[in-house]
Formats: sequence, structure tokens, C-alpha cells
Amino acid sequence: EAGVAQSPRYKIIEKRQSVAFWCNPISGHATLYWYQQILGQGPKLLIQFQNNGVVDDSQLPKDRFSAERLKGVDSTLKIQPAKLEDSAVYLCASSLDPNSPLHFGNGTRLTVT
Amino acid sequence: AQSVTQPDIHITVSEGASLELRCNYSYGATPYLFWYVQSPGQGLQLLLKYFSGDTLVQGIKGFEAEFKRSQSSFNLRKPSVHWSDAAEYFCAVVTGGGGGNKLTFGTGTQLKVEL
Repeated sequence: EAGVAQSPRYKIIEKRQSVAFWCNPISGHATLYWYQQILGQGPKLLIQFQNNGVVDDSQLPKDRFSAERLKGVDSTLKIQPAKLEDSAVYLCASSLDPNSPLHFGNGTRLTVT
Repeated sequence: AQSVTQPDIHITVSEGASLELRCNYSYGATPYLFWYVQSPGQGLQLLLKYFSGDTLVQGIKGFEAEFKRSQSSFNLRKPSVHWSDAAEYFCAVVTGGGGGNKLTFGTGTQLKVEL
């Protein structure tokens, strides 16, 4: 089966600019997650979708981060405006349902200068 | 709050030597525990998981982990390390309520394998 697809792989922007990441989960996976992984730390959950509804966004900085999952398939994560501390790898993951194992994409490495 | 601690930031072992990576958890009930591996530039791959039952769990790539409630630990082991095992390893625990599968990760252990 095809894995979780993410694009772009790398992105470099200046602070205060905006950026968007895209994720295509494994076909049939109803649950989708965005994680932020800062260098030297473990991944931190930003937002969890069940189909096209948000289950958990308690750690999403909503003043600058937004995410959507239209039609319950693909998802986009946006940062506007970006800060230096947003430099990280953004990982998308999907699972069949909330209690099934997660499958991770290769991530998008964001550098904010 | 539920959490996991990985006390070793870096570990270096010789190829062919045994390996043990430590993970301690903080959780009131029986935890759901996982070990993931991340190679450079890659996403995380699930090595093994513990939900209940047998406390010794077998995973992929020859890894195993043992759940010890008395020590609040879920250490990852491999009897003979291969050079290709060099990667970062993350322990994780399921936290959260009705959302189900919210994973909280440790800070990771970077494994270096000397040839």
C-alpha cells in the first residue's frame, strides 16, 4: 500500500512569511494527525482529525497555525506568520481509526530565517 | 500528566553487541506503550507496541521490549545490533481521553553503531 505522502520535503522562509504543508494519508484511513518535531525533541501532536472533524487541537498555536481536512482525505497545515521557533520537521500521520497504529510520512523540514 | 522519559540522549554500541534503550513512563492506569524508530530524513516507523497480556513484546527487525509495571519501564532490547540499526529511537505512550490515539513521545535516544 502507498504510504503517507507529504510535500514539500523542505521549505525555507523568512520570519513573518506564510507557509503551507500538504498531507495525503493512506487510503481509507479516517484519522489524521499533524505533529511538530523540533530538533532534539520528540514529536508533539498539533492536531488530530477524525474524518473532516477536529478531535484534538489543544496544542495548536491557533493565533498562527491553522489546519483543515476538507472531504476527510487530504489535509493542509498553514503557518501565518511564521516565527523563528517554528523551525522544525512537520510530520503527518494517519491511522485506520483512533485506536489503530499510526503510519507516518517522511515529514516537511521547515527552516525559518 | 502522562509522559515518558528516555534518560539516554545518545548511546554508542559496537556492531554485534547487545542493546538496551531505557524508557520510563508516568501513567496511572495500564499504559499503551510504543517504540518507534526514525532514520535520518524519514518518518517514524513502529517497532512494537504493548497494550496488555504478555509483558515481553516482540517487534520487527529483531527488537523486543519488556513491560515492567513495578519499575514503570518499557525498555527496548536487541541481542545483536547491526550497523543499519543506527537511528533515533522514540518511546511513546497513548494519552488523552475520547480522542483515542494521542501519542506522547519521549525526547528520543540517538543510537550510533561502531563497526
